[in-house]
Amino acid sequence: DADVTQTPRNRITKTGKRIMLECSQTKGHDRMYWYRQDPGLGLRLIYYSFDVKDINKGEISDGYSVSRQAQAKFSLSLESAIPNQTALYFCATSDWTQETQYFGPGTRLLVL
Amino acid sequence: AQSVTQLDSHVSVSEGTPVLLRCNYSSSYSPSLFWYVQHPNKGLQLLLKYTSAATLVKGINGFEAEFKKSETSFHLTKPSAHMSDAAEYFCVVSDWRGADGLTFGKGTHLIIQP
Repeated sequence: DADVTQTPRNRITKTGKRIMLECSQTKGHDRMYWYRQDPGLGLRLIYYSFDVKDINKGEISDGYSVSRQAQAKFSLSLESAIPNQTALYFCATSDWTQETQYFGPGTRLLVL
Repeated sequence: AQSVTQLDSHVSVSEGTPVLLRCNYSSSYSPSLFWYVQHPNKGLQLLLKYTSAATLVKGINGFEAEFKKSETSFHLTKPSAHMSDAAEYFCVVSDWRGADGLTFGKGTHLIIQP
């Protein structure tokens, strides 16, 4: 079984809809992250959480919110989706040293 | 603040020839540096990492990278390219505090010619 899982793997939605992307991990890590990937831009950090009570904005948090429901679960929400949020979204985890991050398989989101 | 620059957006080599993917970084502290690979329609896989130990780092699949503080570089190399190496490669920097998460370069697309 994969250590970091993301659901759904693919999602098509319409402008203005609220959607949630979910991430679960079995690595026992405290730290979790959400990134988006756009062609030619690499990955950019949206939000990160160092533990259940700690949530921090990343480089591009506008239009997104997150919830850390448990150590193992970290959800990303788009309150009102817009077309420029069409991207590939990755969840990642790390331990406290953050020497290595482990990535989920990604969620491909298309906003029409 | 930290940043990373991958000097080539695309690199094309023939199978069996050496690979060089270039990366320069900027960091206020002693950084950790990583190379990740992303094969088409796949997630990211860690190739190798530098975390202030040996400056020459060996990774998976025959890749290695050398940390050069004086040049602020962390170039990725492989002596002989294989068709399966065709992928997107990301150079990544993280400062020792880890407060900013990882900062990714924009990626280098490696093309392997038969």
